[in-house]
Amino acid sequence: GAGVSQSPRYKVAKRGQDVALRCDPISGHVSLFWYQQALGQGPEFLTYFQNEAQLDKSGLPSDRFFAERPEGSVSTLKIQRTQQEDSAVYLCASSLGRGPNQPQHFGDGTRLSIL
Amino acid sequence: AQKITQTQPGMFVQEKEAVTLDCTYDTSDPSYGLFWYKQPSSGEMIFLIYQGSYDQQNATEGRYSLNFQKARKSANLVISASQLGDSAMYFCAMREAPGWGSARQLTFGSGTQLTVLP
Repeated sequence: GAGVSQSPRYKVAKRGQDVALRCDPISGHVSLFWYQQALGQGPEFLTYFQNEAQLDKSGLPSDRFFAERPEGSVSTLKIQRTQQEDSAVYLCASSLGRGPNQPQHFGDGTRLSIL
Repeated sequence: AQKITQTQPGMFVQEKEAVTLDCTYDTSDPSYGLFWYKQPSSGEMIFLIYQGSYDQQNATEGRYSLNFQKARKSANLVISASQLGDSAMYFCAMREAPGWGSARQLTFGSGTQLTVLP
């Protein structure tokens, strides 16, 4: 497809389980971002890739969160030993470049619920 | 300090009328971009309009226009001729350009829930 694709659309996990969220960006987009959106709030930055390089992970809330983009295309956000506060929508976005005028195009998100 | 402030948690507008959604921002960077996104209840984040800090004219995209007042650091979204399908959450966001190597991620406001009444 032409847009950013995220899977799964919904994920329910028990506290303590590991989860993996997938993002397939728009073809040719160099920049890839992960955001976390809590209920009723705006998205908050987690991490950024330029091609395969993770240049900024300052937004990751703990060392239980890990992201990779090994071939500069598909990215995976992994959360280990999930906790209830990890429940949120995880949004992936991609953009053609890094300039301030470049809009980021978002996927539909993965809604993660931790029981 | 909040970088993006949206002071209207909820707004109502009558179908076919215009509505303005407020956004103020705070940055010390001379180069930045301002964006508006629409998020329907289904969850996808839809890009609407962009305004660059050096742009001389206000941005327009169809029924959307951005009232950019740089000195006041405001970037209000104006939706003309509202439609029922415009009912959604609207987010104002900023992308700064602090330097090479930085993520230049979007910083979002808390959003405004717009409801269009028939």
